[in-house]
Order: sequence, then structure tokens, then C-alpha cells
Amino acid sequence: GQNIDQPTEMTATEGAIVQINCTYQTSGFNGLFWYQQHAGEAPTFLSYNVLDGLEEKGRFSSFLSRSKGYSYLLLKELQMKDSASYLCAVRGGNDYKLSFGAGTTVTVRA
Amino acid sequence: NAGVMQNPRHLVRRRGQEARLRCSPMKGHSHVYWYRQLPEEGLKFMVYLQKENIIDESGMPKERFSAEFPKEGPSILRIQQVVRGDSAAYFCASSPRTSGEADTQYFGPGTRLTVL
Repeated sequence: GQNIDQPTEMTATEGAIVQINCTYQTSGFNGLFWYQQHAGEAPTFLSYNVLDGLEEKGRFSSFLSRSKGYSYLLLKELQMKDSASYLCAVRGGNDYKLSFGAGTTVTVRA
Repeated sequence: NAGVMQNPRHLVRRRGQEARLRCSPMKGHSHVYWYRQLPEEGLKFMVYLQKENIIDESGMPKERFSAEFPKEGPSILRIQQVVRGDSAAYFCASSPRTSGEADTQYFGPGTRLTVL
């Protein structure tokens, strides 16, 4: 089975940086995904890591350590529109289905 | 390029009725996945389909639930004799193939099912 853990909630100030951690225990590994989900809307794809290291996409970066079963999503220069739930999802080895964490609700305050 | 389409966006059913949820994948995508999201919980995998084939239905309840992806038309998730516990958001995702970054799953807006 798969076990994905991430914090439930985080609060940060507009313009600041927030780091959302995700730890996983899975039977096999074939990639880790981060999605953003605003309330009542579809999850939207943010980033994908399959090799160790940092992937940067504008204000968002994602890091992966396969040996530690650990990833984080870094959000820089926070904006009010970044208030959303952030979902960590792992694709297991030889698998296609994603196993999701419960999501981290980020609230950005002025 | 239209994204994943789902309809209806909201569906209300009384206990014992049937619910039909539709999903049209992104253009060029031949793989469809259904997930269920209960309040305050993460998305849970239900079923994975390719055209005319169910590849993996390990996450779908054995009774009352069925899914199909016909050669023509959208994928359908069907729930018979709905119960209150079926109330949830049902998301469909699609991808082009099953290996590499190109296999990112893109999600539709979901169908919110309420069972009275």
C-alpha cells in the first residue's frame, strides 16, 4: 500500500515563502506530483519529480529525495491567489494510478 | 485545446436512484482515471480505463459501481442504488500514455454528487 503524509494547514503572509513537506512510503516509486486545488475546483498540475533534486518553475519549486521518501513544494513571493489546497501524489512502481495525500491548505494573509 | 470535461457539475439523487457521471478526456488522451474525494480527505483512485477496456478497477466498490469507456463517446461512471455514503466529489483525469512526464494526469472540474 501507499502512505502519503503532509501537514493539514499552513498560514503565511503575502510576499513570503512557504515550504510544504510530503513524506511517503510506497511499494515502488515512479514519480511524485504536486497539484494545486482551489475550493470547489479541479486539481491543477504544478510539478513532477522522478529524480532526486530540485525542479524550478517560476515561483514554484519542488524537491525530491527518493532515499528519504521525502519531497517539498516551495512557494515563493506568495500572492493571495495562492491560497488553496496543495496535494502531494505518488505514482508507484509499475503503476499508473496516483496515491494522494490529504492535502495541505495554505492560507495567504495580507 | 479543451481540457477534461465532466458533466454534470452537480448531481442530486435520492437514495436508491442511479447516478451517471460523464467524462470526456482531453483531445489526444486515451487513458481515463476516476477518483473520489470525500470531504476533508484526499483523492482516492477508483478505476483506470482505456478505450473499450477496464485496466484496473481495484479502487472501485465491487457492488453498485461500474465504469466504461466506449469506442465512441465519453467515459461513464455509474452508481446504482445510491446511498448517502456515496455523496462526494468525483473527479476524472486523463493522460496520453503511461510512462514518463508526458503521462501527467490532468483533471476535470469534477461532479459533486449529493444523495438525499
